[in-house]
Amino acid sequence: DQQVKQNSPSLSVQEGRISILNCDYTNSMFDYFLWYKKYPAEGPTFLISISSIKDKNEDGRFTVFLNKSAKHLSLHIVPSQPGDSAVYFCAASDGSNYKLTFGKGTLLTVNP
Amino acid sequence: GAGVSQSPSNKVTEKGKDVELRCDPISGHTALYWYRQSLGQGLEFLIYFQGNSAPDKSGLPSDRFSAERTGGSVSTLTIQRTQQEDSAVYLCASSPSRDRVQPLHFGNGTRLTVT
Repeated sequence: DQQVKQNSPSLSVQEGRISILNCDYTNSMFDYFLWYKKYPAEGPTFLISISSIKDKNEDGRFTVFLNKSAKHLSLHIVPSQPGDSAVYFCAASDGSNYKLTFGKGTLLTVNP
Repeated sequence: GAGVSQSPSNKVTEKGKDVELRCDPISGHTALYWYRQSLGQGLEFLIYFQGNSAPDKSGLPSDRFSAERTGGSVSTLTIQRTQQEDSAVYLCASSPSRDRVQPLHFGNGTRLTVT
């Protein structure tokens, strides 16, 4: 069963607008969440994380929101830039487990 | 400094052959992970090494898969008698410790194609 779900395989936005990438999880034991960005032919790179004791974490143009009751998190990118075009993976772990469980990813395309 | 290095970057092999994939982690990183990404799927955990502790092999999909980490540094993932379903991108990652707030640093992966 898929414990981390990214239901939108792709998203297209205009440069300068906001990009919102969504992620849902089913395992209530997950308490730490991360977003990774992946360009073609490269490995994923860490973008931003959030602990379950928070509901928001911001780093420059990137903000992650966590809604524990809904088991939902989202990544906001504002303003979006063409260089943000990549696959974004949501990942989660629980307190007893150093392993990350990843979603299938969302391909973001930012059009100039 | 140098990142995680994986070799080869691409590997095409015939069904039934054995393959070895190599990972050089970032110097000083004690934690090393192998993940794979099959077409249209997320990253699937395979195996985890931490220092001199016994590895966590719980993600290996079959006994055809094995991995070792020599001297706490370089790791090799071996797939015996490859099958077409083994075709995927195999990603290695390292981390300074097993602390979850330390993000994983991934290599560029080895794209394995089994024909």
